Parts: sequence; C-alpha cells; structure tokens
Amino acid sequence: NAGVTQTPKFRVLKTGQSMTLLCAQDMNHEYMYWYRQDPGMGLRLIHYSVGEGTTAKGEVPDGYNVSRLKKQNFLLGLESAAPSQTSVYFCASSPGGEKLFFGSGTQLSVL
Amino acid sequence: GESVGLHLPTLSVQEGDNSIINCAYSNSASDYFIWYKQESGKGPQFIIDIRSNMDKRQGQRVTVLLNKTVKHLSLQIAATQPGDSAVYFCAVLIRRGYSTLTFGKGTMLLVSP
Repeated sequence: NAGVTQTPKFRVLKTGQSMTLLCAQDMNHEYMYWYRQDPGMGLRLIHYSVGEGTTAKGEVPDGYNVSRLKKQNFLLGLESAAPSQTSVYFCASSPGGEKLFFGSGTQLSVL
Repeated sequence: GESVGLHLPTLSVQEGDNSIINCAYSNSASDYFIWYKQESGKGPQFIIDIRSNMDKRQGQRVTVLLNKTVKHLSLQIAATQPGDSAVYFCAVLIRRGYSTLTFGKGTMLLVSP
C-alpha cells in the first residue's frame, strides 16, 4: 500500500524557472492538500482540494497554482520560482478533511 | 484567524521518563484536534486525535488531554524511548466552509539514554 507518493524528492531550481510537483494517493481520498514547511514555521497550507476538479486557496497561496484533474493526483506548480519558495513541500490526503495522511516530502531549493 | 501555539520549542527528557508536550489554540469553536510525529527527513505521522466532546483519549503509550476552558491540549508519552525523539505537532481543525487543519510550530523531543 503506497499511500501518498510525492515526486520528485529533491529539486534545485534557478530563480525564474518553473516546475511542477506531483502528488498521487491510492486511498481514494476526496481531500488533498499542499503544505510547505520552513524552519520554525511549522506547516502552512498552500492550496487544497475537496474533490476532483476543485481547488481552493490556503494560508500562503501566492506564487503557486494547483490542479486536480484526477481524483488521485494533485499537482503543485511554480510558474516563476523565487528564493523565498525554498522549502520542504508536503502533500497530504484525507477521506473527510480531518485526519491527514502525508507524503514523504519534496526538498526544493531555489538559487 | 486561528492560531495554534506550543509552549516549548524543545523538550529534553531521559529514557524512561514521561513526556508532556503542550499546545494552545485560540478558537473556542474548534471541535477536532490532532497530534502528529515527524522524524527527521520524513513526513508527519498521525499519533492520536480527540474531539471536543471528550476530555481525554488514550492510545498505546500516548494520552491526549483537552481542556476547552483554557483552550489547551497536551500530549503525554509514557516511558519515553529513544525512538520517540522527533518533532511533535498539534493541529486544530478550522471549519470555515471546508475544513482545514492549522498546525502549531512544533516541539522537538530529545530523548537521551
């Protein structure tokens, strides 16, 4: 049982480059989330989705876009990366919006 | 908005001691609370949760206590082991249309043998 899978695990970007982080879950969960984790800041919600075809903004959405074209996948895009987006990104899924199941994270560095 | 805070960024204990990690929240309407453990280089893992209609809930070596009067919850770990060394996060569910979890900043638990 894979659970929540994030790809890639590590990525280095130059300022201004774009990239997409992929999250896949095999638990048939309705809810999916993208969080970022910075030292001393805990986990902050970027965007989330409550079902296929829906997305909503979280606490820190600026500079990011998301798409949920398929129920099992939730993509996080950075159109023009900035050094302030250097962080560890976690995807999570949930059957009903309470208990979240997390992936193992993506370490992103923007130079 | 909701704020979730932890009282101590770091807690150091001896192996075999009981550990208590505290968390405070601001919204008295919050009705679901959850604790996660995060080991270095890994994603957060669920430990235990509690709803507002309960004051206490026990799991294997862990207990969560909820005091709604002062908006405080705590995680107690019995007979702490080196494998318990990790960062512990509390999170509070915010119901504003859709439900989302707001996380505290975390407490690092260091267990020495």
